Amino acid sequence: GQQLNQSPQSMFIQEGEDVSMNCTSSSIFNTWLWYKQDPGEGPVLLIALYKAGELTSNGRLTAQFGITRKDSFLNISASIPSDVGIYFCAGGFLGNTPLVFGKGTRLSVIA
Amino acid sequence: GAGVSQSPSNKVTEKGKDVELRCDPISGHTALYWYRQSLGQGLEFLIYFQGNSAPDKSGLPSDRFSAERTGGSVSTLTIQRTQQEDSAVYLCASSGGTSLNIQYFGAGTRLSVL
Repeated sequence: GQQLNQSPQSMFIQEGEDVSMNCTSSSIFNTWLWYKQDPGEGPVLLIALYKAGELTSNGRLTAQFGITRKDSFLNISASIPSDVGIYFCAGGFLGNTPLVFGKGTRLSVIA
Repeated sequence: GAGVSQSPSNKVTEKGKDVELRCDPISGHTALYWYRQSLGQGLEFLIYFQGNSAPDKSGLPSDRFSAERTGGSVSTLTIQRTQQEDSAVYLCASSGGTSLNIQYFGAGTRLSVL
């Protein structure tokens, strides 16, 4: 099935550093979502974006919906140990329809 | 319940056996989705139910996979004659109430086919 191109695949960073990850698609979406998955758990929604160019923050997290509607990025500022996990981007459409997911970015934070 | 509930959390089965995975969505959510997550991969859409409409089965990998949703609530994903490549985490999500397509996930069922 269709998947998004998410990069990087993994990151090792020092506590306190900022992190950036992004997602691109060959097709347009009108909603982008970012989820985080901890081991043994399901993905948990971090940020949802609905408008091209939109920049949205949730605490230390900031995400943007690309102008072309084909990409999105997520930034995490001043990382802390509990930021460890796998971050997934997902593209979709308004209404209750299936999402298309990236393969995830595995984040490791070194204290 | 407060969130999406899936059972069992882990299932080990022998190749060739049938398995049933259960999902209890958030109360009142009209849409229910099944995704599969293979090791190191993203989530792959399998099937979804929206209200009383016929389910969208376009993501099912083979005719060994089927799902039903009874009474617009609980759903069961059935895999017949399991194969080793069916080993994965099966995640269920639900959404509803708005058009914003915010999907809430259960913790998943980890299926291991020996």
